[in-house]
Amino acid sequence: RKEVEQDPGPFNVPEGATVAFNCTYSNSASQSFFWYRQDCRKEPKLLMSVYSSGNEDGRFTAQLNRASQYISLLIRDSKLSDSATYLCVVYRDDKIIFGKGTRLHILP
Amino acid sequence: DAGVIQSPRHEVTEMGQEVTLRCKPISGHNSLFWYRQTMMRGLELLIYFNNNVPIDDSGMPEDRFSAKMPNASFSTLKIQPSEPRDSAVYFCASSLETFQGPYEQYFGPGTRLTVT
Repeated sequence: RKEVEQDPGPFNVPEGATVAFNCTYSNSASQSFFWYRQDCRKEPKLLMSVYSSGNEDGRFTAQLNRASQYISLLIRDSKLSDSATYLCVVYRDDKIIFGKGTRLHILP
Repeated sequence: DAGVIQSPRHEVTEMGQEVTLRCKPISGHNSLFWYRQTMMRGLELLIYFNNNVPIDDSGMPEDRFSAKMPNASFSTLKIQPSEPRDSAVYFCASSLETFQGPYEQYFGPGTRLTVT
């Protein structure tokens, strides 16, 4: 089993809809979690950190479920500009593991 | 701020040649990361420096790959000899890490390497 797994998608979602995707991690000692966004042929950029209590940034909500070992990202009122690949990142000790990403296409 | 600077942006070389990729991290950052991204394998961490010292190089594929960070403002990733399977986008990233843990990584624009 891979240490960090994501559904590769693509998720095809109409504009204005709500979409959510998860990222599972296999090592319970994982310590820090992040969501990054990567546009086509561009570098990844931090979208948001994931805190134990869950956190929200505008239309984006990130949650951590340590018992089931996954993090989630919820996007409300999706925009065309949200089309991208979303990468989850897990830190454990000095290890940094990126998921392969979930592709999201917002349809007009 | 200039952000993370990588050069060259594109490199096309023949199998067997030496390739050197360069990175200038953001001033003040104390950690530097080299990644490789392909469609098949996604984004893979190759090596990670903290205060110019390699902390984790377990992702370096084999002896053909080497990385150095002679000072806080410069790092190189060298492939010698290069092979077609090394074709990928290579990203450099930097961050400021403290005892409180990792912070945001800032990525450079990447070097797109093609080995023929």
